[in-house]
Amino acid sequence: KAGVTQTPRYLIKTRGQQVTLSCSPISGHRSVSWYQQTPGQGLQFLFEYFSETQRNKGNFPGRFSGRQFSNSRSEMNVSTLELGDSALYLCASTLGGTTEAFFGQGTRLTVV
Amino acid sequence: GNSVTQMEGPVTLSEEAFLTINCTYTATGYPSLFWYVQYPGEGLQLLLKATKADDKGSNKGFEATYRKETTSFHLEKGSVQVSDSAVYFCALADNYGQNFVFGPGTRLSVLP
Repeated sequence: KAGVTQTPRYLIKTRGQQVTLSCSPISGHRSVSWYQQTPGQGLQFLFEYFSETQRNKGNFPGRFSGRQFSNSRSEMNVSTLELGDSALYLCASTLGGTTEAFFGQGTRLTVV
Repeated sequence: GNSVTQMEGPVTLSEEAFLTINCTYTATGYPSLFWYVQYPGEGLQLLLKATKADDKGSNKGFEATYRKETTSFHLEKGSVQVSDSAVYFCALADNYGQNFVFGPGTRLSVLP
């Protein structure tokens, strides 16, 4: 079966702009989580959605937001981009009730 | 809250050497434990997991045993290969597959 798909793979944005990243989970998976990965901070949890509801949230400013659609696809949005937002953004999906997370290849965001 | 600590490396080994990457955790209840691996330019892939005390997860020659008494889940491999060069993340999640917490990652380089 198809894995977790993240689009786009690469993005270059200018400081102050906004960006939307997309994640399509494995078919049947209802939980989608987002992570930010940077060399300095490692892998940091952003938020998790389950059945269109945000279930958990990490310690990020309100510029970072997300949503989940009825087909479980999820988007995350970052507004007013800062240079420090440059990172690899990873999405993971789980079936819900199981204990394994499947990751996409990530979206590499560069803010210039 | 829950947390994961692991040796940050980098770890550099010669091919066929023995590998140990230490991981300890702090958690309430009875979490599930995981090792994920990240190859350059890729997302995270599940390497192995253990869902209860004394369970041993194994895959591709890697092993880790869930030790509740020492709150540890050390990763071992008897003979590493150049192709094992990657970043390894120790992680835990609650038994509902939520609240994943990742360690900082350990970069492994295996030299021929």
